[in-house]
Amino acid sequence: DAGVIQSPRHEVTEMGQEVTLRCKPISGHDYLFWYRQTMMRGLELLIYFNNNVPIDDSGMPEDRFSAKMPNASFSTLKIQPSEPRDSAVYFCASSGAENTGELFFGEGSRLTVL
Amino acid sequence: AQSVTQLGSHVSVSEGALVLLRCNYSSSVPPYLFWYVQYPNQGLQLLLKYTSAATLVKGINGFEAEFKKSETSFHLTKPSAHMSDAAEYFCAVSGRYSSASKIIFGSGTRLSIRP
Repeated sequence: DAGVIQSPRHEVTEMGQEVTLRCKPISGHDYLFWYRQTMMRGLELLIYFNNNVPIDDSGMPEDRFSAKMPNASFSTLKIQPSEPRDSAVYFCASSGAENTGELFFGEGSRLTVL
Repeated sequence: AQSVTQLGSHVSVSEGALVLLRCNYSSSVPPYLFWYVQYPNQGLQLLLKYTSAATLVKGINGFEAEFKKSETSFHLTKPSAHMSDAAEYFCAVSGRYSSASKIIFGSGTRLSIRP
């Protein structure tokens, strides 16, 4: 079975540009999570969805960040406008309905904002 | 509320030596506990999990962890390190019966293996 698929794997952009990161969760998983990983702050939960509905976005840093899940097989995380401090690795993860805490992570999208 | 503390941001052992990565947790409810591993340029993957069955949990690649309620610990061990074990390891906790969103990750421990 295919795991969680993220794109792009690497993105280099200039400050002020819009960035869109994409995620395809594992088929049949009801939960989708977006995490950000940096050296300074470690792994941070940004937002999570249950059955395509955003449940908790309290980790989203500010209004420049937005996330959508238009259907069960696709989610986006958008940053507009991007800033150098947004440089990080962004991970998408999914889990099944039983929700015991076992998350399946994608390989991440490494974002560099110049 | 839950939290985890990983003692030591970097651990270095010789190939063939014992691996011990320390994790202490705090939880106001019975916890689920996890160890995840992250290899370079990859996402995290589950190594093992404790969900209230046996207190000694065996995971992939020869790793195991023991849940000790009296010490609020969930240390990760492997009897003999292999070069391929070099990675970052994350301890995580969630409250039993709570949603996966409450998974709290530790700050990670980077494991290096000396030849």
